Amino acid sequence: EIQMTQSPSSLSASVGDRVTITCRASPSISTYLNWYQQKPGKAPQLLIYGASSLQSGVPSRFSGSGSETDFTLTISSLQPEDFATYYCQQSYTTPQTFGQGTKLEIK
Amino acid sequence: QVQLQESGPGLVKPSETLSLICNVSGGSIRSYYWSWIRHPPGKGLEWIGFIYHSGSSEYNPSLKSRVTISIDTSKAQFSLRLTSVTAADTAVYYCARWSGGYYFYYDNWGQGTLVTVSS
Repeated sequence: EIQMTQSPSSLSASVGDRVTITCRASPSISTYLNWYQQKPGKAPQLLIYGASSLQSGVPSRFSGSGSETDFTLTISSLQPEDFATYYCQQSYTTPQTFGQGTKLEIK
Repeated sequence: QVQLQESGPGLVKPSETLSLICNVSGGSIRSYYWSWIRHPPGKGLEWIGFIYHSGSSEYNPSLKSRVTISIDTSKAQFSLRLTSVTAADTAVYYCARWSGGYYFYYDNWGQGTLVTVSS
C-alpha cells in the first residue's frame, strides 16, 4: 500500500497569503497525484489531477507541482472561501490512498 | 451534470450488515468506475472499493473480507454491503465517480451519508 503523508496537518493563514501544502508518497507514484478540497459537511471537490492539471472551473490561484515522491499544492492568494481541509490522493495503484488532510484555518 | 445520491439506514447495530445504495442521475452509469469512500470522524478518507459498469470490482484489502459492491445498470445504481460491522465502521459514506483518461480522479461525489454503528 502506498503511504501518503501530508504536512502540515493544520495551518493558520490570512486572506491574501500565499500558502503551500506538501504531500509525500512512499514509494514513488510518478505524477499520479490528485488534490481535493473539503468544506465541513460537504463532499470533497477535485482541484488538481495529474499533479499539476487544474480541474475545469477551479480558480487559477490553485496550482500543483511535483513528481515521484514529493508534491505541493499552492494557493497564490488566499480567499475567504479557501478555508477548508485539503487532501492529496494517489491514483497510481490500488488500494487508492489519501493523505491525512491539512486543515487551513483563518489566522 | 451527473448527480449521485446515497441512501440507506443511518444506524446499524454491531455485528450486523451495513447496506447503502447510490443512485446515479443526469448521466450514464456505463463506461465509468463507481466507488465507495468513507470518512470516519476525526480521521482521513478511506477508499473502500470500486466497480466497473461491467461488474468487475476491486476492494481495499483491509476490508475485502467484509465488503461487496454490486451494480445494476438498468436502475442506474450501485450498492455497498459491509458485514459484521463494529464501531470502527462509523463514518460518513460517500459514493463517487472515478473518471478520466490517462489520469483518473473523483470528479463527482454524492453528498455523503452518516452511518453510525451502535446498539
